[in-house]
Amino acid sequence: RKEVEQDPGPFNVPEGATVAFNCTYSNSASQSFFWYRQDCRKEPKLLMSVYSSGNEDGRFTAQLNRASQYISLLIRDSKLSDSATYLCVVGLSNDYKLSFGAGTTVTVRA
Amino acid sequence: EPEVTQTPSHQVTQMGQEVILRCVPISNHLYFYWYRQILGQKVEFLVSFYNNEISEKSEIFDDQFSVERPDGSNFTLKIRSTKLEDSAMYFCASGGRATGELFFGEGSRLTVL
Repeated sequence: RKEVEQDPGPFNVPEGATVAFNCTYSNSASQSFFWYRQDCRKEPKLLMSVYSSGNEDGRFTAQLNRASQYISLLIRDSKLSDSATYLCVVGLSNDYKLSFGAGTTVTVRA
Repeated sequence: EPEVTQTPSHQVTQMGQEVILRCVPISNHLYFYWYRQILGQKVEFLVSFYNNEISEKSEIFDDQFSVERPDGSNFTLKIRSTKLEDSAMYFCASGGRATGELFFGEGSRLTVL
């Protein structure tokens, strides 16, 4: 089983729509959770950390469900500039690496 | 804003040649990483480096790979004898703490012919 699994998409949504997608992780001991964004042929950049109680950053909301071992990202009021690949990233507390999912591609159309 | 810088941005090499990719991490960071991404595939962990030694490495990071922090600022990845399947984008990253936020460089694209 893969360490981090994501629906690859693509999710094609109109501007202003809400889009949400999940990620599952295999190791129940995972302690760190992030969403990164990667534009085509660019480096990954941190979008937001994911906290146990769930957290929001502007139009982005992240949730963590430890019991079911999944993380979600919701984007409200989608903008054209939200078009990117969203990477789910998970780490262990006693580990020196982060594991990346393959990414979920979102395309926002005018 | 501090950033991770990588050189070269693109290198083309012949199979069997040695390649050195260079990175300057953010200056007050303590954790350094190399990741790679084969075109169209996911970002894969190669190696992490902390306290002047490798802290963890993946199965990809075999004897052909090595890392060094020669002078306290640069962080290098060496591939001793490149293979066709080493063609990928290599990302250097640094972080202030283990498994915290990583800051990535723009990547070095390696093409092995």
